[in-house]
Amino acid sequence: DIQLTQSPSVLSASVGDRVTITCRASQGIGSYLAWYQQKPGKAPKLLIYVASTLQSGVPSRFSGSGSGTEFTLTISSLQPEDFATYYCQHLNNYPPSFGQGTKLEIK
Amino acid sequence: QVQLVESGGDVVQPGRSLRLSCEASGFIFSFYSIHWVRQAPGKGLEWVAVFWSDGTTKYYADSVKGRFTISRDNSKNTLYLEMNSLRAEDTAMYFCARENSVAGARAFDYWGQGTLVTVSS
Repeated sequence: DIQLTQSPSVLSASVGDRVTITCRASQGIGSYLAWYQQKPGKAPKLLIYVASTLQSGVPSRFSGSGSGTEFTLTISSLQPEDFATYYCQHLNNYPPSFGQGTKLEIK
Repeated sequence: QVQLVESGGDVVQPGRSLRLSCEASGFIFSFYSIHWVRQAPGKGLEWVAVFWSDGTTKYYADSVKGRFTISRDNSKNTLYLEMNSLRAEDTAMYFCARENSVAGARAFDYWGQGTLVTVSS
């Protein structure tokens, strides 16, 4: 099974900051990586798929990059509504596992 | 609009069974693979099972294989998860999610709000 490791696990930042979250896969997954945002008590929301394609309706301050085993999610200028937990997920094969999550906190 | 609505969550004793449902609307249900994903309290997301749009292919996480059964009724636009021999570690919010595989994209583009399963004596 493919393991996904996100770093950092917790990220403290301020409104307006540029932040980057990394997701590393234990083996190559091509570009079959998605990023989700989850707020407390809510379902996850798709942000990015196939590593770099922005889901419809997601603000352009979110971007994704990478291929193979290393991927990043970048938020160019944090907004108050962006403080949440972020998960990466691979969809290369089964099981389509998730990273452990990165909690983005207000500094 | 696309909607997924889960139901069936409850408090059950260890060893007992429960069936979850996920009713879909706003899209052609039979065209999509639908997944179950769970999240234990305060923990991350864990993929559980999928039923492909081909109508026959199913996959399960090792943690539930042999205990959980996924099924779907396309005439009712509903996905099910039959959960047997429940354990305390199955306690979680259970989400269903639609997989978008159009044009090579692969991601879970719509999620339900979740249904809570608590396994406790």
